[in-house]
Amino acid sequence: IVLTQSPGTLSLSPGERATLSCRASQSVSSTYLAWYQQEPGRAPRLLIYGTSTRATGIPDRFSGSGSGTDFTLTITRLEPEDFVVYYCQQYGSSPQSFGQGTKLEIQ
Amino acid sequence: QVQLQESGPGLVKPSETLSLTCIVSGSMSSYYWTWIRQPPGKALEWIGHISYSGSPNYNPSLKSRVTISLDTSKNQFSLKLNSLTAADTAVYYCAKTRGARSPLDSWGRGTLVTVSS
Repeated sequence: IVLTQSPGTLSLSPGERATLSCRASQSVSSTYLAWYQQEPGRAPRLLIYGTSTRATGIPDRFSGSGSGTDFTLTITRLEPEDFVVYYCQQYGSSPQSFGQGTKLEIQ
Repeated sequence: QVQLQESGPGLVKPSETLSLTCIVSGSMSSYYWTWIRQPPGKALEWIGHISYSGSPNYNPSLKSRVTISLDTSKNQFSLKLNSLTAADTAVYYCAKTRGARSPLDSWGRGTLVTVSS
């Protein structure tokens, strides 16, 4: 399954709302869609799994939604530390696959 | 909480075999153990995983060149990738999931492997 994330880069300001998209080449069960956050030089960190469940310790300004082939990560009230790269992943079909990432940059 | 740490050579020659080990602190029982890689500046690629019982599953794009194995007596699992080319240059991560179809909830810090003569 090919995952296509858009936009490639999103320029916003702290305090604004970010909407990141992940589109799948075929339907993905909502049970098997995750989002990860990656800071420069660091391993990815699980943010959201099962489309909308926040991982342990993830603040509630991060939320996920979607179904079928279209999924969204929303970050409300952007903080300076949120300006990094985000990846979606489907883990329901083998091989598991990731999107190419969305970079969130400060405008 | 389970912690993971990759170890292995930072530089490998073309056509040779890469061997990486992931040392796990904590129980390995009931989990799946995964390898992922990320070429510099590029996206993540799932290489494959192995169950606690030792059953592997590989990405078809790498299946002919990859082996993932488990050594629970040493609390570690390993990756071997043969016939290396420059395209295999990447940061290699090991990670843990709770099942075959579960998110990657714990990651190692990653190790950069460069394929060059």
